[in-house]
Amino acid sequence: AQSVTQPDIHITVSEGASLELRCNYSYGATPYLFWYVQSPGQGLQLLLKYFSGDTLVQGIKGFEAEFKRSQSSFNLRKPSVHWSDAAEYFCAVGAEGTYKYIFGTGTRLKVLA
Amino acid sequence: DAMVIQNPRYQVTQFGKPVTLSCSQTLNHNVMYWYQQKSSQAPKLLFHYYDKDFNNEADTPDNFQSRRPNTSFCFLDIRSPGLGDAAMYLCATSSDGTGVDEQYFGPGTRLTVT
Repeated sequence: AQSVTQPDIHITVSEGASLELRCNYSYGATPYLFWYVQSPGQGLQLLLKYFSGDTLVQGIKGFEAEFKRSQSSFNLRKPSVHWSDAAEYFCAVGAEGTYKYIFGTGTRLKVLA
Repeated sequence: DAMVIQNPRYQVTQFGKPVTLSCSQTLNHNVMYWYQQKSSQAPKLLFHYYDKDFNNEADTPDNFQSRRPNTSFCFLDIRSPGLGDAAMYLCATSSDGTGVDEQYFGPGTRLTVT
């Protein structure tokens, strides 16, 4: 069965520090992978997605993610975090021919000034 | 800008009093989804429409219904809200409803049940 694990429920970083949010998935075939961000009281916004090709994907707001098939991971990174990045981040996996995502439980990011 | 709009943003209803939440989209997408999201949890899919075809998730309570009168609008009806139905309700759209397709989310409606 498909599943998505985000091992870190909460992460706190200082502004300007680098960030890595972890996402591990379980799926038999090639997954379609997404990272969404949700600011407090808001809907979800797509940061980036991976379907195929280059395993390093660039997204909006300076985020990138790397697909590693051997590790079943799709970790999200940002070299220098801004206070406005404080939010909840969700990793999701979709599968061709299905209609829905499997979401991870989310990682809440706190940014210290 | 093309977008997904939800109204109202905040809704307060009484225990057992029917409530309707609204979603509209200007993306002309075929698929519309309704999610329930409780505090510090991932969104949980309630149901979705592929065009006019309604698809209910197996664990969605009967208390939740939906209508899609046209491509642009979709409604979530909660017939008899309980305290456990207090949550953020998110509407999303996608162009073809496959797992490869990006979903576009609205800002959500925060439902409070008193």
